[in-house]
Amino acid sequence: EVQLVESGGGLVQPGGSLRLSCAASGFTFSSYAMNWVRQAPGKGLEWVSAISGSGGSTYYADSVKGWFTISRDNSKNTVYLQMNSLRAEDTAVYYCAKPGMELGGYFDYWGQGTLVTVSS
Amino acid sequence: QLVLTQSPSASASLGASVKLTCTLSSGHSSYAIAWHQQQPEKGPRYLMKLNSDGSHIKGDGIPDRFSGSSSGAERYLTISSLQSEDEADYYCQTWGTGTVVFGGGTKLTVL
Repeated sequence: EVQLVESGGGLVQPGGSLRLSCAASGFTFSSYAMNWVRQAPGKGLEWVSAISGSGGSTYYADSVKGWFTISRDNSKNTVYLQMNSLRAEDTAVYYCAKPGMELGGYFDYWGQGTLVTVSS
Repeated sequence: QLVLTQSPSASASLGASVKLTCTLSSGHSSYAIAWHQQQPEKGPRYLMKLNSDGSHIKGDGIPDRFSGSSSGAERYLTISSLQSEDEADYYCQTWGTGTVVFGGGTKLTVL
């Protein structure tokens, strides 16, 4: 059974940093690209970032490019999202998502999400 | 630019059917999409991948009441025999090189 469990969310002041983790199980983690998606309160889904299975390629939405860094540790079956210089508009539930195809594409499994609140 | 357009809201009666639409931007009519359901206060759930020819791959445990179809740049999600638990937000999703795009979502109300 595929499971994705996010952690690391919380309350952080504007300008602060936070690192999210997503622990994966139930599939060959290193074969799949992994993604982060966020949802601001009362808003729709917004793709944030993706990383290839090897970790050699990374992709970002324009809204976070230069502030967020995605990485992975295939020995721990975990993908991370380092978020720096956080702003109020980064407040959201952050979801980890696994694609249905190894190189990416549609998401066939989602985590339960972790809430990040940026506020003073 | 790859864009998905959805109507903000839809409604239908208990036991009836409803057809939700997701429209791909010009030049992208051959793209596949995925449909996701998000019930209130829950995370998204994958429903199906829908190809341009109407073929689809459903997620685990998705009832037969959920089906997909395609016509040109439009992708449809049909839910038949509506139940109260189908009241949710429905998002379409597609992808390109180094990017993923979501539609704005359709809020479905079951009357």
